[in-house]
Amino acid sequence: QVQLVASGGGVVQPERSLRLSCAASGFNFSDFDMHWVRQTPGKGLEWVAVMWFDGSNAYYTDSVKGRFTISRDNSKNTLFLQMNSVRADDTAVYFCARDFGRSDDQPLLLFDFWGQGILVTVSS
Amino acid sequence: EIVLTQSPATLSLSPGESATLSCRASQSVSSYLAWYQQRPGQPPRLLIYDASIRATGIPARFSGSGSGTDFTLTISSLEPEDFAVYFCQQRSSWPPVTFGQGTKLEIK
Repeated sequence: QVQLVASGGGVVQPERSLRLSCAASGFNFSDFDMHWVRQTPGKGLEWVAVMWFDGSNAYYTDSVKGRFTISRDNSKNTLFLQMNSVRADDTAVYFCARDFGRSDDQPLLLFDFWGQGILVTVSS
Repeated sequence: EIVLTQSPATLSLSPGESATLSCRASQSVSSYLAWYQQRPGQPPRLLIYDASIRATGIPARFSGSGSGTDFTLTISSLEPEDFAVYFCQQRSSWPPVTFGQGTKLEIK
């Protein structure tokens, strides 16, 4: 069955870096676009970034642009989120999520499988 | 950025009753509106996409309707496992993909 297991979360000081990983199994990882979505009690669910199935394209929400980088290693079935210059408002549970499919050479932007989520706390 | 506003924030009902949840978009999203269910301690689960299409394995008591800016998720004859938080999500105009703030469906 499809599994997405995130790791790398924890407590990080403001302006420092953290790298999240998401190990995928149970499906052909290299066929699917992948996302990071985060959740806080105050702001709810917030889409963070998407990476094309082949690594050729990536998009970000404005608040993380220039600070976060999404990437993937299809040979290792793993998605990454490099978080630099983190801020207090980056504190959240981070989910990796699989996109439902593609249409017109773009992801459908629907999330059919999600990891369990990993907590990132930005605090000094 | 398209803002999605869900109402009510909390809905208190009893098992067996029907629930009607609303999602309003700040501008038209055509039919590109999805609904997710999130139980405590779990990630969201895709229920409905493109306003009215049930995802694989979703029971028929869940139905969606609407287009443009106004959408509804209806759950007929509530089961105990249906008490959860429900989010809407638009994919019409992106980035970013956006979500509503959620409606908590609680047991009365």
